[in-house]
Amino acid sequence: QQPVQSPQAVILREGEDAVINCSSSKALYSVHWYRQKHGEAPVFLMILLKGGEQKGHDKISASFNEKKQQSSLYLTASQLSYSGTYFCGTDIQGAQKLVFGQGTRLTINP
Amino acid sequence: DSGVTQTPKHLITATGQRVTLRCSPRSGDLSVYWYQQSLDQGLQFLIQYYNGEERAKGNILERFSAQQFPDLHSELNLSSLELGDSALYFCASSVRVSGELFFGEGSRLTVL
Repeated sequence: QQPVQSPQAVILREGEDAVINCSSSKALYSVHWYRQKHGEAPVFLMILLKGGEQKGHDKISASFNEKKQQSSLYLTASQLSYSGTYFCGTDIQGAQKLVFGQGTRLTINP
Repeated sequence: DSGVTQTPKHLITATGQRVTLRCSPRSGDLSVYWYQQSLDQGLQFLIQYYNGEERAKGNILERFSAQQFPDLHSELNLSSLELGDSALYFCASSVRVSGELFFGEGSRLTVL
């Protein structure tokens, strides 16, 4: 039931764009995205509910394709502060529990 | 500060021992989640409570148990500890089931 994230790691230069993908083998009610910096707790970024919506704030946005059971997180013009590990969490319909993927480690270099 | 309080922050104990981790959710949040994060690993879902009742279970070992009390704080009990139980244990709370999660700073357990 654990979603699969790809890629596992990304290294970028400041200002470059990144896409992180999350896919599930089960029908999803919602997808969550969180960022965790080293030694800190995960911090909420956004929730996407079924309905194929796209959300975003600042230069971070995400999409959710419920038919394909996939979500993607888009980081544009990356900043040094974007570094960290990104986790997608999936809420499988009927399960009422949030299960996280293995994470994608994003490193932004100057 | 997420508003979620976890104690203790650090705990060192020996194999075979039992420990209790405590979590106070944000004011008004009814849902409490427990996650285990081993070194450089993902967040493994353990268990979820909503307003005192267990709502969902993950890969929680039989040696582990949890409960949520009437004042909504939660405790995770880990017994017969093994070396492999060493990890960071996060508690998170949300207003509703599957809502936005607010994570505590975690309790780092080291089993020697």
